[in-house]
Amino acid sequence: AQSVTQPDIHITVSEGASLELRCNYSYGATPYLFWYVQSPGQGLQLLLKYFSGDTLVQGIKGFEAEFKRSQSSFNLRKPSVHWSDAAEYFCAVGLFSGGYNKLIFGAGTRLAVHP
Amino acid sequence: NAGVTQTPKFRVLKTGQSMTLLCAQDMNHEYMYWYRQDPGMGLRLIHYSVGEGTTAKGEVPDGYNVSRLKKQNFLLGLESAAPSQTSVYFCASSQSGSDTQYFGPGTRLTVL
Repeated sequence: AQSVTQPDIHITVSEGASLELRCNYSYGATPYLFWYVQSPGQGLQLLLKYFSGDTLVQGIKGFEAEFKRSQSSFNLRKPSVHWSDAAEYFCAVGLFSGGYNKLIFGAGTRLAVHP
Repeated sequence: NAGVTQTPKFRVLKTGQSMTLLCAQDMNHEYMYWYRQDPGMGLRLIHYSVGEGTTAKGEVPDGYNVSRLKKQNFLLGLESAAPSQTSVYFCASSQSGSDTQYFGPGTRLTVL
């Protein structure tokens, strides 16, 4: 069965430090890949997505992610974290089946940022 | 544009009560979705719609019903609420089945 794993439930970084959030998926083919961010009390906002082509994807707010087929990973990175980046981050796999993009979400990684 | 909006934002129900959650989108999207989010879990799809007048079951449809009478609205109903339905409910929409889904702000529902 398809699944998405985000190994880190909580991560704490200092403001200005670099960040990498891990995401691994289990799926036979290359899926569509997404990262969403959820700020407290808010809905999910799309950070970036990968459908095909260049495996390094740039997103909003200075985030980027790299698709590595050999590792079935789609890790999210940011070179310098800002306090406003504190939120919960969800990796999702999109499996186009039955006429729509079925999204399978990971359990999320909660990011705390120390000043 | 408001994007995807949801009403209400919060609701507390007693076991056995019924209620309807409303999702509205102003992007003229064909597809709409209802998800629930529980602690320590990602979002799970309850029901979805591929166009006005259509609905289909998702991953966790039991205890819920939906209707899509107008293209811009997608209603989620709980006929007899149970404590297991305490959750945060998110609506989403997309232009087509393969397009990015855009999410609303969520409705926090507590069933006592």
